[in-house]
Amino acid sequence: GDSVTQMEGPVTLSEEAFLTINCTYTATGYPSLFWYVQYPGEGLQLLLKATKADDKGSNKGFEATYRKETTSFHLEKGSVQVSDSAVYFCALRSGNQFYFGTGTSLTVIP
Amino acid sequence: SQTIHQWPATLVQPVGSPLSLECTVEGTSNPNLYWYRQAAGRGLQLLFYSVGIGQISSEVPQNLSASRPQDRQFILSSKKLLLSDSGFYLCAWIEGNYGYTFGSGTRLTVV
Repeated sequence: GDSVTQMEGPVTLSEEAFLTINCTYTATGYPSLFWYVQYPGEGLQLLLKATKADDKGSNKGFEATYRKETTSFHLEKGSVQVSDSAVYFCALRSGNQFYFGTGTSLTVIP
Repeated sequence: SQTIHQWPATLVQPVGSPLSLECTVEGTSNPNLYWYRQAAGRGLQLLFYSVGIGQISSEVPQNLSASRPQDRQFILSSKKLLLSDSGFYLCAWIEGNYGYTFGSGTRLTVV
């Protein structure tokens, strides 16, 4: 069945460091891919999405490219800030079903 | 604009007590609605989803139930809470080709 595998955390980075959180997926069709962010004590918010191969989603300095050949959707940011500390979830949508990764906790230290 | 409301934000309940969490959406009709649970330090687990009034699909057997009495209302319930029911409960809905929009969540602690 469809699934998402996400890099396990926690991840701790210094401010202005480069961030990569790996996400790979397994799907039988042509899913849409998402990254969600959960700040402490809050619900999940959509960070970015891509609906077809080679699409690049971007928001708040974060980027992810839908790579069909490697079935990946890695999240990147060139220079992280303390305010980026949160849990990040990779997700796949197939029809009306969503599949989430287990989440990666990111802590950015000044 | 479409919004989703979820309450209460925090709840502490004794083992064996009943539970009712409510989720309502505004600004849309006939949404697909979802209940997720996020246990401490773990990912999201889909509990229930509903494509319409009175239509509930359960993803995992558990101590919980869901109901959809109105188009824009989705309720998560339990007759007798267990310790293992503690967690962060999230309601969500899907619009078109977009991803989920999540409610702000309810943190349930069963003591």
